[in-house]
Amino acid sequence: NAGVTQTPKFQVLKTGQSMTLQCAQDMNHEYMSWYRQDPGMGLRLIHYSVGAGITDQGEVPNGYNVSRSTTEDFPLRLLSAAPSQTSVYFCASSYGTPSYNEQFFGPGTRLTVL
Amino acid sequence: GENVEQHPSTLSVQEGDSAVIKCTYSDSASNYFPWYKQELGKGPQLIIDIRSNVGEKKDQRIAVTLNKTAKHFSLHITETQPEDSAVYFCAASISNDMRFGAGTRLTVKP
Repeated sequence: NAGVTQTPKFQVLKTGQSMTLQCAQDMNHEYMSWYRQDPGMGLRLIHYSVGAGITDQGEVPNGYNVSRSTTEDFPLRLLSAAPSQTSVYFCASSYGTPSYNEQFFGPGTRLTVL
Repeated sequence: GENVEQHPSTLSVQEGDSAVIKCTYSDSASNYFPWYKQELGKGPQLIIDIRSNVGEKKDQRIAVTLNKTAKHFSLHITETQPEDSAVYFCAASISNDMRFGAGTRLTVKP
């Protein structure tokens, strides 16, 4: 199993550009989530999904969109990038709700918005 | 919403000594408390967790304690080794919402 994979590893955008961060898992996990990690602030939940076709907002959802058309994939879209979105983004998955199941994290995407 | 505070932000110990990291949480409904280890350039990895109906859990050199009344939980690492050097995060979870502490950078000096 590859686990949780994320692409790209690094990305530089200009303010106003759009892009999609890709996340895929091959563990047949129902729950998937996106976090951003900023210095001194730990990880903050952006959006999560409890299954295909179901998504919900986390702690910091503004400026980000998600969709879940398949169990395996959970892309994160930035429609109009802003410097405040410079961060390291982690995708995670678990068999069920993270309150009862171990979350597995991907290797991260380092995004810089100029 | 839930708020998790973690202390200290940095911790340096000599190899073989013990390390303790402490976290407090605000929402008494939180029922799951995992600890993650993050090595440089990698995603966090679960090292130990504890549920609200348990006061202590141990796994070899790592232990976690939970005080529900005071709403705080701690990670204890004994006989530290250089490979324990990493950033450690605590978290508190209710259902689908997980909130993380700001992290502790642990350095184990040989």
